[in-house]
Amino acid sequence: DTEVTQTPKHLVMGMTNKKSLKCEQHMGHRAMYWYKQKAKKPPELMFVYSYEKLSINESVPSRFSPECPNSSLLNLHLHALQPEDSALYLCASSQGNSPKDKLFFGSGTQLSVL
Amino acid sequence: ELKVEQNPLFLSMQEGKNYTIYCNYSTTSDRLYWYRQDPGKSLESLFVLLSNGAVKQEGRLMASLDTKARLSTLHITAAVHDLSATYFCAVRGNLIFGKGTKLSVKP
Repeated sequence: DTEVTQTPKHLVMGMTNKKSLKCEQHMGHRAMYWYKQKAKKPPELMFVYSYEKLSINESVPSRFSPECPNSSLLNLHLHALQPEDSALYLCASSQGNSPKDKLFFGSGTQLSVL
Repeated sequence: ELKVEQNPLFLSMQEGKNYTIYCNYSTTSDRLYWYRQDPGKSLESLFVLLSNGAVKQEGRLMASLDTKARLSTLHITAAVHDLSATYFCAVRGNLIFGKGTKLSVKP
């Protein structure tokens, strides 16, 4: 299994809603990532978990809350989002933090905030 | 602040011809990655370049890294329609991406 699985694939939510994005991998990878990608822009790093601990938070607003329940799962909890948060949210994983480690990306969740 | 610049940002290619995409970065990095993204799709890893002088080839694509010049190139040989996509370079372990180069191949 060489896949990173993200659910849901599409999500529409209001600004008062609470929702969660889920990411799962069964490759035994110990590093997991959240990226945000606006249309026609490159992905931007949001969070990095290494060995289930948050190692990087790229000054992301608190309305985005990551969670890593175990080494295979990564969640992104969303609350009180703004329309400008609409984007493709990509999850990725890698074996570890070695420079040789390739990142594997999931297919993403396309989020629309109304 | 690390900056990663790609050029060109758009490239219209003719089938059968050769082209090169350039990726410059502003601070020392011995790791450079190339990714491909099709419209509405996720990122596909193409190459991981880990040292100065590294060269990797896969099919019609060849990537190289010059860490002294802080430059990587992605060379396309005899372009075909299947190569139409957006190509990103990225540096550092957690990936800082360039803006991407959108390639389209015309017959």
